[in-house]
Amino acid sequence: AQTVTQSQPEMSVQEAETVTLSCTYDTSESDYYLFWYKQPPSRQMILVIRQEAYKQQNATENRFSVNFQKAAKSFSLKISDSQLGDAAMYFCGYYGGATNKLIFGTGTLLAVQP
Amino acid sequence: DTAVSQTPKYLVTQMGNDKSIKCEQNLGHDTMYWYKQDSKKFLKIMFSYNNKELIINETVPNRFSPKSPDKAHLNLHINSLELGDSAVYFCASSQDLTGGNTEAFFGQGTRLTVV
Repeated sequence: AQTVTQSQPEMSVQEAETVTLSCTYDTSESDYYLFWYKQPPSRQMILVIRQEAYKQQNATENRFSVNFQKAAKSFSLKISDSQLGDAAMYFCGYYGGATNKLIFGTGTLLAVQP
Repeated sequence: DTAVSQTPKYLVTQMGNDKSIKCEQNLGHDTMYWYKQDSKKFLKIMFSYNNKELIINETVPNRFSPKSPDKAHLNLHINSLELGDSAVYFCASSQDLTGGNTEAFFGQGTRLTVV
């Protein structure tokens, strides 16, 4: 069965600094897709970034980038120039092309200190 | 226009009652999901429907019964509510996540409190 692990329940970063959130996953599928979602206090789930497993190039989206290490099954999220609005719960997600299942890790609560 | 809408947003009910949560998406997506987020914020998949057909049913008590009258709607009915059912329930929808630059869109969640 596929699993997603986020080993950091909480993280803290100073405003304007850089922080990296960790995510590892386990799968036997070859066709899969990885996501980072953000959940602010409003509860709304917002897509931050997406990575196709068949692409070697790491995805980037403005201040957000990933470090995708396929062999190690690692998918970390780097947030540069952190802003107060980045404070939220971050979920790492996995979607398997064969299982059609979108699952998430346990989440990392990110605090941004002014 | 709200892409994925859930009603109600909050629901407080007594143990033993039966309740329903409704979900509608106006994105034309084929796939819809229900997730349960507990007090520790764990987001666990419960069900997934594709074109009105159940494709994923994750070890959920049979008190929970999803119903999809058409591909734009996926409702969740819960019988004989228990204290442990208290959580936030999220509906989501997506097109085929393997195609193009797609993502799953989530509703705003329904906070269910069983007393």
